[in-house]
Amino acid sequence: ILNVEQSPQSLHVQEGDSTNFTCSFPSSNFYALHWYRWETAKSPEALFVMTLNGDEKKKGRISATLNTKEGYSYLYIKGSQPEDSATYLCARLRLSYNFGNEKLTFGTGTRLTIIP
Amino acid sequence: DGGITQSPKYLFRKEGQNVTLSCEQNLNHDAMYWYRQDPGQGLRLIYYSQIVNDFQKGDIAEGYSVSREKKESFPLTVTSAQKNPTAFYLCASSTSLGGTEKLFFGSGTQLSVL
Repeated sequence: ILNVEQSPQSLHVQEGDSTNFTCSFPSSNFYALHWYRWETAKSPEALFVMTLNGDEKKKGRISATLNTKEGYSYLYIKGSQPEDSATYLCARLRLSYNFGNEKLTFGTGTRLTIIP
Repeated sequence: DGGITQSPKYLFRKEGQNVTLSCEQNLNHDAMYWYRQDPGQGLRLIYYSQIVNDFQKGDIAEGYSVSREKKESFPLTVTSAQKNPTAFYLCASSTSLGGTEKLFFGSGTQLSVL
C-alpha cells in the first residue's frame, strides 16, 4: 500500500443494521490515524485519533480499531441510524524526524447511506 | 460558539484574476491549514501554518499564496498562476502542529471559474 485507501467507496445499509468499512495505509513510519465524519453541507467532524497498535476507540454506536503492523483500521457502526449517513474519511500521519513537516494524508472516503 | 468561519460559501473567478478565500477561527488554535478537494480524490494540503508569521508549503502549493498576520486568520489567495482552480476548499485548525491533535474544519468554499 503506497497511499491511504478506503473501501468500499460507497455503501447502502438498512436502518438498524450494523456495518463496517476499512482504511488501509502504509504501515512503515506510522505515527497516527484520524477518522472524520462529513455530513452533506456540514463541516468534517473528528471522530477518533489513534496512535497505538491494537487500540480501540468508541463513541456511542461508533467504534474503531487500529492495526499499525499490517496497516489498516476498521470503523464499525452498530445499529445504523439515518443520522449516520455521511462520508467517513480516514487520514494517516507519517512519522517525521523533521519537526513541523508532519502532514496528514487523507483517503477518498466511504460514503454511507442509511436506508430508512 | 467557537469554530471556524470560511467565506464566501461560493466564489467565481474570471480568467487572470486573483481571488482570496477567508478563514477565521476563534478557537485559539496555533496551527491552521488549507485543503483542496477534487472529485474522486482525498483532501490535499495546500499550505499550513504553525504560528503567526510562519507558514509552510503543502503538497500542492503552486499557484496559491497565504498569510498569517494574526493568530485568528489564515486567508488563501488563488492566483492567476493556478490553472485549474475549480475545487472545494476547506480550512482547518488544530491546537498545535503535531499530528495527534484532531482537526477542526470550516464549512468550505466552492470556487468556480467563469
